Amino acid sequence: DTAVSQTPKYLVTQMGNDKSIKCEQNLGHDTMYWYKQDSKKFLKIMFSYNNKELIINETVPNRFSPKSPDKAHLNLHINSLELGDSAVYFCASSQKGYNEQFFGPGTRLTVL
Amino acid sequence: QKEVEQDPGPLSVPEGAIVSLNCTYSNSAFQYFMWYRQYSRKGPELLMYTYSSGNKEDGRFTAQVDKSSKYISLFIRDSQPSDSATYLCAMNPQGGSEKLVFGKGTKLTVNP
Repeated sequence: DTAVSQTPKYLVTQMGNDKSIKCEQNLGHDTMYWYKQDSKKFLKIMFSYNNKELIINETVPNRFSPKSPDKAHLNLHINSLELGDSAVYFCASSQKGYNEQFFGPGTRLTVL
Repeated sequence: QKEVEQDPGPLSVPEGAIVSLNCTYSNSAFQYFMWYRQYSRKGPELLMYTYSSGNKEDGRFTAQVDKSSKYISLFIRDSQPSDSATYLCAMNPQGGSEKLVFGKGTKLTVNP
């Protein structure tokens, strides 16, 4: 009964490949997020969706494309992977108007 | 100047010590202040949350906000090895967590 789950947990791939990360939450929340945490542990928001609508789109290369098929799912597709994309990607969810975000376990992406 | 500044440490203390973790911020619009705890290879989880200035206590943890100085603190009393984690401050200007801004996190190790 994991609240926010992500797959895969680890992803190792070659430069130039395209990959996707999936996120699902069973908390009934209406807002979901993607964060990137770099090697220095800095957690930076990339995207936020509310009821399947994009509400935050930070300065992120357009190689990154989020997609929310429904309120409980938010996927992240990355095209033409680069070495600098190596990081841990966290999905999170919250209920609009509430302060707490619930984070998934993270996907550790390594680009070789 | 970054919106939220946090000393990344690392901070190493003996078991039983009082730990003080701090963040400063530049945006006077921030109203809601949070501390997240992140264990190694896990997602962050909300530890404490305060609104505006003042103190909040929860067991061994005390969160303080001084809006006049744009300074927030987290105190841990009688620290335990299980408190070893990275502590991230987070804040936003309005209710709801959609625009959370995180500090870089301070890595704490409590030695038995």
